Parts: sequence; structure tokens; C-alpha cells
Amino acid sequence: AQRVTQPEKLLSVFKGAPVELKCNYSYSGSPELFWYVQYSRQRLQLLLRHISRESIKGFTADLNKGETSFHLKKPFAQEEDSAMYYCALSGQGAQKLVFGQGTRLTINP
Amino acid sequence: DVKVTQSSRYLVKRTGEKVFLECVQDMDHENMFWYRQDPGLGLRLIYFSYDVKMKEKGDIPEGYSVSREKKERFSLILESASTNQTSMYLCASCSSGALSEKLFFGSGTQLSVL
Repeated sequence: AQRVTQPEKLLSVFKGAPVELKCNYSYSGSPELFWYVQYSRQRLQLLLRHISRESIKGFTADLNKGETSFHLKKPFAQEEDSAMYYCALSGQGAQKLVFGQGTRLTINP
Repeated sequence: DVKVTQSSRYLVKRTGEKVFLECVQDMDHENMFWYRQDPGLGLRLIYFSYDVKMKEKGDIPEGYSVSREKKERFSLILESASTNQTSMYLCASCSSGALSEKLFFGSGTQLSVL
């Protein structure tokens, strides 16, 4: 079974501080992992995926298979990063994406 | 840009009514999905479809059905609406193959069942 856990429902940090949103997964095979973001009054959209090994808007995420984690990090938070963040997993060859519970990130000025 | 359009932004229905939520995408995507989004529970998959007239149950299909008569349209049906189906419903689509391709989401339908 595929499962994604985001242990923090709410996360609040000050502008300029580092941010880490936690994501742990459960899957016996080789997962594909994603972070999706929903800004206020906007659609849910892809932020980044682990296979691309990219940095988007200063965010990075590294897949740690030993710890079954895919934490999202940014060294210096900005106010426009305030949003709802979802971690998601797709199993190998799977046709569906399983989402975590989401973390609401608030960046304080 | 890919467009996924959900026909209603807000809906208010009464318990026991039959409810139709419509979703249309314009990028010839094979895969379409219906999720519900609830605070603290995240997104939960209701149903998905990988081809016309094909459908698969997601994680919470009870009380719902779907219809995919045309490739661009995927409808979610609440046969007899109940108050616990009050939620934000999100439609999404992506191209075929394994889900390394990103999902494109609609803007959502906030359904209230009274």
C-alpha cells in the first residue's frame, strides 16, 4: 500500500528563516515523489518532482530512501511562500497519485 | 496552457439530491481524476479514469459514481447527497503512462450539502 504522511498541519516561520516541510512515505517499491502547492485563491499546482532534481522558487527536496522521506527545504523563506503544501507519491507504473494531509505554511514578516 | 475546467465553483444541495459535478480538459489527456480535499485529511482519490468509458475506484468511492463518455469530460455523480459529502472537489488530468507527468488541476467545486 502507498501512504504519505505530513506530520505538521501548520508551520509558521519568520521571513528569512530556513524552512523544512516534512514528508514521509510508505511504499515497498521504487517511488516517484512530488510536492504540490496551492497559493491562496489559486489552483493546486506542481512545485517539484524528485526525478527532475530541480530547484523551483528556491525550494529543493531530496529523496532519502533509507529514511523514506522527501522533505521540502528552502534556506531563506519569503512571504510569498505562504501556501498549502502537499507531498504526493506515485508507485512504479501506478496510475494514481496518493497525497499527504498537507501542511499550511505561514511566513511571518 | 492546459485548462481543466470545473463547471461550478460553488454548489448548495439538499440531502438526498442527485448531484453532478462536471470537469472538462482541453489537452487530450487520457487520465482524469476526482479528488476531495478536506482540512487535515488532504486530498483523497475518489475515482479515476485512464480512457473513455473506463473507470477505476480510488480510495473513497462509496457514495459516488463517475461517467467518462468522451475523452475530454469526466463527471462525478453523487447518487444521493449526504451531509458528509460536503467538501471541496478537485478534478485533475494528465497524459498517459506512469505518473511522472504532472497533474493539472481544476479550480475546484465547493459543495455544501444541507
